[in-house]
Amino acid sequence: GAVVSQHPSWVICKSGTSVKIECRSLDFQATTMFWYRQFPKQSLMLMATSNEGSKATYEQGVEKDKFLINHASLTLSTLTVTSAHPEDSSFYICSATRQGDPLSYNEQFFGPGTRLTVL
Amino acid sequence: LAKTTQPISMDSYEGQEVNITCSHNNIATNDYITWYQQFPSQGPRFIIQGYKTKVTNEVASLFIPADRKSSTLSLPRVSLSDTAVYYCLVGHYSSASKIIFGSGTRLSIRP
Repeated sequence: GAVVSQHPSWVICKSGTSVKIECRSLDFQATTMFWYRQFPKQSLMLMATSNEGSKATYEQGVEKDKFLINHASLTLSTLTVTSAHPEDSSFYICSATRQGDPLSYNEQFFGPGTRLTVL
Repeated sequence: LAKTTQPISMDSYEGQEVNITCSHNNIATNDYITWYQQFPSQGPRFIIQGYKTKVTNEVASLFIPADRKSSTLSLPRVSLSDTAVYYCLVGHYSSASKIIFGSGTRLSIRP
């Protein structure tokens, strides 16, 4: 159990277009979902925290108008990269925490990631 | 969230035991220690979590001394497939708590 999927697994788009990435918890309800970005040979960088039915909380330096996050249900969060540019090319990873897990044991379940390439 | 320090990279050979140590001098009383593994172009995967002493599961062991200012992830008899980046994380995690990843340790296993 506790599987998180992402769609698409990779996407190539032209500069100036918008790209939507979906993150789904397949067999559990996710209390909170997180979005990360990872550049080659670097660590994961947290972009935002997303709770169902409320506005996402963005980390410092992350443009909320550039990276739109929608968390419409307990199993789905979406990240839309608006007006993408080559510097937005990266590996985007989502994760989810499972509703009902003990507070002392917060395992985050990560999706497989989405490789975005902006030409 | 307590800052962690771990080696940038490590090399080892198949069949060896690998120990990766993480320093977390500012760990708080209610903080837990968690290790994740990440393969290239994949999301991280939870390996093990502990609070004190020793924790063992089917994948690894986690050793935490009494002062909890460091921890050691032990991988028994590694194989080529253990080549990955390993992240040590420290924090008091609630269901809404964010994780801040450090630089991680890039482990390379050779035949």
